[in-house]
Amino acid sequence: AQSVTQLGSHVSVSEGALVLLRCNYSSSVPPYLFWYVQYPNQGLQLLLKYTSAATLVKGINGFEAEFKKSETSFHLTKPSAHMSDAAEYFCAVSDQASSNTGNQFYFGTGTSLTVIP
Amino acid sequence: ETGVTQTPRHLVMGMTNKKSLKCEQHLGHNAMYWYKQSAKKPLELMFVYSLEERVENNSVPSRFSPECPNSSHLFLHLHTLQPEDSALYLCASSRRGGRGDTQYFGPGTRLTVL
Repeated sequence: AQSVTQLGSHVSVSEGALVLLRCNYSSSVPPYLFWYVQYPNQGLQLLLKYTSAATLVKGINGFEAEFKKSETSFHLTKPSAHMSDAAEYFCAVSDQASSNTGNQFYFGTGTSLTVIP
Repeated sequence: ETGVTQTPRHLVMGMTNKKSLKCEQHLGHNAMYWYKQSAKKPLELMFVYSLEERVENNSVPSRFSPECPNSSHLFLHLHTLQPEDSALYLCASSRRGGRGDTQYFGPGTRLTVL
């Protein structure tokens, strides 16, 4: 069965500092992995996704993530944090329960990012 | 209007009320989803519809009743809810295809059950 673990429910960084949000996954098949961001009172917005084309995936707003199969990790990074990055971040792994379903997502519990001025 | 929309954005209801949540997607997708988001818990998949047919029901209580009249619209009918049902309810859609299809989310409905 697929699952996702996000280490650290809260992360604080100074403005301009490196952002590192951790995600480890468990999957019995080659995974499809996603990072979503959720701003207050909004739905989830796709940041980036890994589909096996390249291990380093670039997303929106300067974020990127690296797929490391040996570590079963898909950590999200951004070189320089901005105040507008403060939000909740969710890692997800995709599965497909059957050929008739849209694919099933398994989400982590989320990491709340605070950016300190 | 583009993307996935949800109405209402906020809903307060008593335990004996009946209400419905509405979701509409303008992306031409064939699969739609209802999720429940509670504090400190992972998103919980409630229902999946593919080509208007329900294909997944993750043991959701019967007080939640989904309806998908066509591939663009999805409803969640609520009745005799409990206070623990208070949460953010998110709708999403994706193409009906292979693994890895991105799910696109609506802004959610914040439900409070008194």
